[in-house]
Amino acid sequence: SAVISQKPSRDICQRGTSLTIQCQVDSQVTMMFWYRQQPGQSLTLIATANQGSEATYESGFVIDKFPISRPNLTFSTLTVSNMSPEDSSIYLCSVRTGDNEKLFFGSGTQLSVL
Amino acid sequence: AQSVTQPDIHITVSEGASLELRCNYSYGATPYLFWYVQSPGQGLQLLLKYFSGDTLVQGIKGFEAEFKRSQSSFNLRKPSVHWSDAAEYFCAVDGGFKTIFGAGTRLFVKA
Repeated sequence: SAVISQKPSRDICQRGTSLTIQCQVDSQVTMMFWYRQQPGQSLTLIATANQGSEATYESGFVIDKFPISRPNLTFSTLTVSNMSPEDSSIYLCSVRTGDNEKLFFGSGTQLSVL
Repeated sequence: AQSVTQPDIHITVSEGASLELRCNYSYGATPYLFWYVQSPGQGLQLLLKYFSGDTLVQGIKGFEAEFKRSQSSFNLRKPSVHWSDAAEYFCAVDGGFKTIFGAGTRLFVKA
């Protein structure tokens, strides 16, 4: 299993600013993922972040808007840049453990952009 | 590319009645399949998963799901629904590199 700490848990930000979300895992994991869940919607994969390589972004998401760092096997950050109200969402960090059986999720970051 | 379809946006069942939530997937081989539940204001909880072997899998809270390769389906079932089962249910498919979630089905339980 894996325990994920995600910070901040929520934030209210002004349009045009940036927010960096941190994800800390209590064990070393190879694969980390960042998802977005817009109000009333499902989870949409933003990118896969593997240590030692650049993040792989899904269609509709770009590095300039959502830069990701993965400096080691237990930590990652996602930055939401130049925010607009459309970025208001829950952002979730998740990891797949070594047994590859399932995803573990952080508690999420509730972001509201005014 | 892998994809997941949950054709029912919402379903309403009476407490004590049976439940079936539909899920169809698209993937070139047999993927890993999951059902997650999300209660209001809560995180995601894994109900059950299928990797291989017996196509009928048992999960927590009395849920089960059946993998049908011929129909590319992985429907979730429960013989008797409780009011506490009201939540959003997500089917997910994983081809080994990433997990893609369906749009979700909101379950309402009426007394």
